[in-house]
Amino acid sequence: GNSVTQMEGPVTLSEEAFLTINCTYTATGYPSLFWYVQYPGEGLQLLLKATKADDKGSNKGFEATYRKETTSFHLEKGSVQVSDSAVYFCALGDMKTSYDKVIFGPGTSLSVIP
Amino acid sequence: NAGVMQNPRHLVRRRGQEARLRCSPMKGHSHVYWYRQLPEEGLKFMVYLQKENIIDESGMPKERFSAEFPKEGPSILRIQQVVRGDSAAYFCASSLTGELDYGYTFGSGTRLTVV
Repeated sequence: GNSVTQMEGPVTLSEEAFLTINCTYTATGYPSLFWYVQYPGEGLQLLLKATKADDKGSNKGFEATYRKETTSFHLEKGSVQVSDSAVYFCALGDMKTSYDKVIFGPGTSLSVIP
Repeated sequence: NAGVMQNPRHLVRRRGQEARLRCSPMKGHSHVYWYRQLPEEGLKFMVYLQKENIIDESGMPKERFSAEFPKEGPSILRIQQVVRGDSAAYFCASSLTGELDYGYTFGSGTRLTVV
C-alpha cells in the first residue's frame, strides 16, 4: 500500500542554518504530496503542496520539489528561525475512487536554538 | 471565519468510562476526517464521514470506537470503556469536497488522557 517515510528526528539546528528534512514515498499512480507543520499544542497546518512531478511547492521560505524519479519530496529552508521549531509531517494524497485520503509520515521534530 | 473547532481541548477519563470528542467542521465543509496521534508517532487515519454517512472506517478499531456526523450538529467520535492505550491526541479535519486540491483544515485536537 501507499506509505511515507521521513528522516528520523529530532533535528537540532542553530538559527540561520540550512534545513533539509528528507521524505520518500511509495505509491501507485501520481499522488499529491504535502508538508504539514504542527506547532506545540496545536493542530496540523498545511505548509506546502505539489500535485505533479517536478512541481515545486513553497511557503514561508520553505520549499519542496516533487521528484518522481526518486520518489522524494524533501523539505528545505535556507535559513531557519527559532519560530520554525515544530514537528514536520510529509504526507501523500491517496487517491480513492470517490475521495482522497491523506497518509502521513511519522513526523520529524525540529528544534532551532538561538 | 472560524476554522475547525474541536472540544474539549483536554479530556481526562478513568478506565472504563466513555469519551466523547466533538468536531465542528469549517463552515460549508461537509467532509470530516478523524485521525489519532499516539505519543511519538505520526497521524493514523481512523474514519472519514460525510453528513449522515460513514464513507471509510478502515482505521477504526473494531470494538469500542464509533463515529457519527449527523445532519445537524458536530461530528462525534465516541470511545466506550476507555483503556490506557486510548490516551492520544485526536485530530479532526474537514474539507470542502472529497478532493485534496486544497488540503485538509485541521482542528487543534483533543488530548485524551486515560488514568
